[in-house]
Amino acid sequence: GESVGLHLPTLSVQEGDNSIINCAYSNSASDYFIWYKQESGKGPQFIIDIRSNMDKRQGQRVTVLLNKTVKHLSLQIAATQPGDSAVYFCAEHSSGSARQLTFGSGTQLTVLP
Amino acid sequence: NAGVTQTPKFRILKIGQSMTLQCTQDMNHNYMYWYRQDPGMGLKLIYYSVGAGITDKGEVPNGYNVSRSTTEDFPLRLELAAPSQTSVYFCASSHWAGGVDAKNIQYFGAGTRLSVL
Repeated sequence: GESVGLHLPTLSVQEGDNSIINCAYSNSASDYFIWYKQESGKGPQFIIDIRSNMDKRQGQRVTVLLNKTVKHLSLQIAATQPGDSAVYFCAEHSSGSARQLTFGSGTQLTVLP
Repeated sequence: NAGVTQTPKFRILKIGQSMTLQCTQDMNHNYMYWYRQDPGMGLKLIYYSVGAGITDKGEVPNGYNVSRSTTEDFPLRLELAAPSQTSVYFCASSHWAGGVDAKNIQYFGAGTRLSVL
């Protein structure tokens, strides 16, 4: 899962398996969360989002789960493919007027052949 | 539709030099942001703008300046570059309409890799 620090958490999965990437957020007032994917040498790319009034949201091969009680977010990727190898960030939305995003430090997902 | 475009892609500066990182978006987004990303870390907000003529500091603004004279452009200025500013810089934009159900999905450029030696 994600944590603040100098070492990027890593997750290695076999191609075709499911991946679960975890994220702990800090602000209980955050009302909106986004998962981004960042491939090497590129900018972050939006994957999926979820509001705090939901506990689950599904997209194409991805599912985000939100547990507000323990302030935990997870991203599930079904049938992981080599193209899924990247760093995954969760971001929480502040409730301030600027709607700023606070990013976690990311998890490096490596898909093994 | 190019999205968010950043120039240059790479730059090497000497200590004390100045430069401007360019960012332009063609999505008519009202919000624009500048982040820096250090190796193995998440993104930290430097400055943001909620519309033309309005800018505000983020988490790490020291050593940087911005301006937003048009909706499309949001340049980041580095004055007196220091080694601590070696990083990858990302510009992002979003459309924020306000309201309970509004979303603020930020779209990012490809980044500028800056080294200060």
